[in-house]
Amino acid sequence: DIQMTQSPSSLSASVGDRVTITCQASQDISTFLNWFQQKPGKAPKLLIYDASKLETGVPSRFSGSGSGTYFTFTITSLQPEDIATYYCQQHYILYNFGQGTKLEIK
Amino acid sequence: EVQLVESGGGLVRPGGSLRLACAASGFSFNTYTMTWFRQAPGKGLQWVSSISRSSSDINYADSVKGRFTISRDNAINSLYLQMNSLRAEDTAVYYCARRVPTKGIDYWGLGTLVTVSS
Repeated sequence: DIQMTQSPSSLSASVGDRVTITCQASQDISTFLNWFQQKPGKAPKLLIYDASKLETGVPSRFSGSGSGTYFTFTITSLQPEDIATYYCQQHYILYNFGQGTKLEIK
Repeated sequence: EVQLVESGGGLVRPGGSLRLACAASGFSFNTYTMTWFRQAPGKGLQWVSSISRSSSDINYADSVKGRFTISRDNAINSLYLQMNSLRAEDTAVYYCARRVPTKGIDYWGLGTLVTVSS
């Protein structure tokens, strides 16, 4: 099993802030890493695939980087509608998720 | 427009069975690997099971192996999850999702809630 360690587990930031979440894999997963946004009571939504590629229709303030075992997800200018929980997910071998990062507005 | 609609959730007693269904539309269902995920109340996301386009390749999480069976009917664009010997820890919202070779999981259904309780 590939373990995904995501941090922080929660984050409070102000509108306009730059926000960064990290995700570490227990083994090399190349760039088989996706980032999802989940709002309360809703299904997860794909934001970033292949570690750094922006899904169609997703605002450009969202970005991802990394390869191998270390990955980062960034929101360059936090907006009120970005309040959600964010998950990293590896799909190199089956699927494993990070524990999630709950993002709140300060 | 891609749509995935789950059904079949509900309240079931420990040891009982339930069959979930996922109706797919808006894409060529028979060309995609499909997957079930779940999310316990207030918890994170967990992969449950995956099935390839022709049902030739099937995988299960250790926590459900031997109790759950995934299947599909490409003729009617439907995915299924037969859940037997249900336990309290199987309580969760169950999502079906589509896998794209170049992206991994892209679309998710809205989910169906399964509650295992006496």
